Amino acid sequence: KQEVTQIPAALSVPEGENLVLNCSFTDSAIYNLQWFRQDPGKGLTSLLLIQSSQREQTSGRLNASLDKSSGRSTLYIAASQPGDSATYLCAVSGGNTGKLIFGQGTTLQVKP
Amino acid sequence: EAGVAQSPRYKIIEKRQSVAFWCNPISGHATLYWYQQILGQGPKLLIQFQNNGVVDDSQLPKDRFSAERLKGVDSTLKIQPAKLEDSAVYLCASSLTSGVDTQYFGPGTRLTVL
Repeated sequence: KQEVTQIPAALSVPEGENLVLNCSFTDSAIYNLQWFRQDPGKGLTSLLLIQSSQREQTSGRLNASLDKSSGRSTLYIAASQPGDSATYLCAVSGGNTGKLIFGQGTTLQVKP
Repeated sequence: EAGVAQSPRYKIIEKRQSVAFWCNPISGHATLYWYQQILGQGPKLLIQFQNNGVVDDSQLPKDRFSAERLKGVDSTLKIQPAKLEDSAVYLCASSLTSGVDTQYFGPGTRLTVL
């Protein structure tokens, strides 16, 4: 049974810092991995999607990496801003049905 | 392009009552998902539709939860009777097809069962 873990559960950093969020999964047979952002009282917004054959994806100040063999992914946020404050969720898809297994999320606070 | 719409946004009921949630996916999206997100946890898939057929409902508590997607567009999720542990945010998502396509999420319905 696939399990997804995110550490830490919460993180507070000063504005301008580069930071890394971690995600680990127990079954390396994944179809793809996605990182989402969730703002309070709102739904999820997809940030990056990495196919199982890819090693990383980049979008603006965000870079996500995937190491299937070790069951790990990282989300790198460069030059953090207060607007980056949100909960970040990692999710893996084990097959082509699109079913996502989510981690519990990391709540990020970027202080001005 | 309009996003995924959900209503109501908030609902408070007493245990043993029934409740229904509505979702309107992005136009043209064949796949629709219902997730349950308990406070402090990641979302958990309850049911997935491909057009109006069920693809996966393995984690749906079928003794109290039901869902339908008539005509392959809108969907409703019902809970009857509700329990205290059903308090959660219910998220609806849609994608163009299943598999590699990005899922787009609605704002969710926050349910409180007293």
